[in-house]
Amino acid sequence: DSGVTQTPKHLITATGQRVTLRCSPRSGDLSVYWYQQSLDQGLQFLIQYYNGEERAKGNILERFSAQQFPDLHSELNLSSLELGDSALYFCASSVEPRSYNEQFFGPGTRLTVL
Amino acid sequence: GDSVTQMEGPVTLSEEAFLTINCTYTATGYPSLFWYVQYPGEGLQLLLKATKADDKGSNKGFEATYRKETTSFHLEKGSVQVSDSAVYFCALSDQTNFGNEKLTFGTGTRLTIIP
Repeated sequence: DSGVTQTPKHLITATGQRVTLRCSPRSGDLSVYWYQQSLDQGLQFLIQYYNGEERAKGNILERFSAQQFPDLHSELNLSSLELGDSALYFCASSVEPRSYNEQFFGPGTRLTVL
Repeated sequence: GDSVTQMEGPVTLSEEAFLTINCTYTATGYPSLFWYVQYPGEGLQLLLKATKADDKGSNKGFEATYRKETTSFHLEKGSVQVSDSAVYFCALSDQTNFGNEKLTFGTGTRLTIIP
């Protein structure tokens, strides 16, 4: 158990819908990262937050947005869903944003868009 | 940009065999290097890491050495067990890229150990 929790574990929805994925980082970790794992794209970095502020963006679509709240949990919002958004979405956290620090991964949310 | 090239899988070995999974990288700065492992139905776990040239990361019998001259970070284990069956990801994070500490991953190598 990494200490990072993600809910829900599974999500099945239809095209055009909107969903919210939730992540609680390890106690004391200030930095949160979101990654998408799909068969065709592999593991891709989406976005990073540090202490409530957006720090870096990766290959995140404009239909996707995220935020980190004062209690440090984070939410990833996916809207106007398409079939190609079906993937495993991971949240990771680290104590502070340093490249040599280990990132601790949650179990992921599996999103299926029908 | 940064990239990681990883040995294609799947890899199937017999128990107690020697394992090597190749990983090479391209980085514009000075990366930290990682091996993560993903067991079925679970998230990624850090297996080992190295943060500077010639460092050797090791854990649970696995080893990898940061080779700057060959831009490589190959994963090795002398005697694999059935419990090592998983997907292994090589990854880097660029230490000079302050403000974005993302991990850049390889494609992953699925390892299956047969008794």
